[in-house]
Amino acid sequence: EIVLTQSPGTLSLSPGERATLSCRASESVYSSYLAWYQQKPGQAPRLIIYGASTRATGIADRFSGSGSGTDFTLTISRLEPEDVAVYYCQQYGNSPLFTFGPGTKVDIK
Amino acid sequence: QVQLQQWGAGLVKPSETLSLTCGVFGDSFSDYYWSWIRQSPGKGLEWIGEINHSGKTNYNPSLMSRVTLSVGPSRNHISLMLKSVTAADTAMYYCARTKYYNAAGIFDSWGQGTLVTVS
Repeated sequence: EIVLTQSPGTLSLSPGERATLSCRASESVYSSYLAWYQQKPGQAPRLIIYGASTRATGIADRFSGSGSGTDFTLTISRLEPEDVAVYYCQQYGNSPLFTFGPGTKVDIK
Repeated sequence: QVQLQQWGAGLVKPSETLSLTCGVFGDSFSDYYWSWIRQSPGKGLEWIGEINHSGKTNYNPSLMSRVTLSVGPSRNHISLMLKSVTAADTAMYYCARTKYYNAAGIFDSWGQGTLVTVS
C-alpha cells in the first residue's frame, strides 16, 4: 500500500500570503494519479487538482499543483479567507485503489 | 450537473449491518463508477469500494470481507452494506462519482454525507 504523508499539519498565514502544502508518497506515483481535495468545515471534500497539476472545473487560478515521483506540492499563490479548509492529497493505482493523505489544515492568522 | 443524494440509518447497533443508499440524478449513471468513502477522526478519509452500472465492483482489501456494494433499489441508485459493525465503523460516509481519465481515478462529485454512529 502506498502511504501518503502531508506536511505541515497546520499552516497559519495572513491573507495574501503564499501557502505551500506538501504531499509525499512512500513509493513513486505516476503524476496522472495524484489529486488534491479541499474540505471546508461541514462540507464534503471538493476536487481542486488532478493529474498533479490540472485545475478542476471552476477552481481559481491561485491554486496550482506540481511535482512528480514521490514529492508533490499544492500552492495557493495568494491566500483568501475562503481558502480556510483542510487539504488532502489522494493517489490512485495501488491496492487499495485509492488512498488519501492525512490532510493539511490551512488557517488565516 | 450531477447530484448525489444519500440516505440511511444514522445509528446502528454493534454487530449489526450498516445500510446506506445513494441516488444519482442529472447524469449518466452508466458512464461512471460510483464509490463509497468514509471519514473518521481516527482514520481520516478511507475509500471503501466502487461499483459500476453493471455491478462490477472493486473493494478496499481492509474492508472486503464485510462490505457489499450493489446497484439498486432502482437503476440510478447504489447501496452500501457493511456487516458486523463496531465502534471503529463510526464515521461520515460519502458516496462519490469516480471519474477515470488517462487510466487514473478521481472523485469529482460527492454526496452530502451521512453520519453513522455505532452504539
